[in-house]
Amino acid sequence: AQSVAQPEDQVNVAEGNPLTVKCTYSVSGNPYLFWYVQYPNRGLQFLLKYITGDNLVKGSYGFEAEFNKSQTSFHLKKPSALVSDSALYFCAVRKAPLWNAGNMLTFGGGTRLMVKP
Amino acid sequence: EAQVTQNPRYLITVTGKKLTVTCSQNMNHEYMSWYRQDPGLGLRQIYYSMNVEVTDKGDVPEGYKVSRKEKRNFPLILESPSPNQTSLYFCASSLLSGSSYNEQFFGPGTRLTVL
Repeated sequence: AQSVAQPEDQVNVAEGNPLTVKCTYSVSGNPYLFWYVQYPNRGLQFLLKYITGDNLVKGSYGFEAEFNKSQTSFHLKKPSALVSDSALYFCAVRKAPLWNAGNMLTFGGGTRLMVKP
Repeated sequence: EAQVTQNPRYLITVTGKKLTVTCSQNMNHEYMSWYRQDPGLGLRQIYYSMNVEVTDKGDVPEGYKVSRKEKRNFPLILESPSPNQTSLYFCASSLLSGSSYNEQFFGPGTRLTVL
């Protein structure tokens, strides 16, 4: 069975410092990996995805993520955090075979990012 | 504006009283899905639909029903709600396109409390 782990419930970082939100996955075959962000009282918003190609994926709002197959990780990063980045971040993996789009995503438990001024 | 809408946004009800949470998307997406979000558990899929009249169970379907009579609408039905269904519910939709993956668009959420 496929799974996603986000080992940190919360990450605290000072504004202007780099941030990392960790994600590891377990899936048979090639993974499709995603990051979503949830702001207070809002639905999830897509940030970025890794399907194939370059291991470093760039997404919205200056975020990027690095796919590491040997470590089965897909950590989210940003060089310089903003207070407005404070939100709940979810990592997800596609769990269905390519020809079956059902049950499309398995989500991690979420990591709350707090950026302090 | 492209969006997924859900109603109601907040609902407090009592055990056993049937309720429906509506979901509608205006992007002509084939795929629609319902998730529940609980602290520490992330989002878990309840049901999904790949097109009109095509629905299937997700990871946690017990106690829920869905229907897909029109492409834009995907209501979630709780025939006899119980307190363990107190949760935050999200509807999502996406295109389906064979070999590629299309990101899901999420509604704003419905916070349900069952007393």
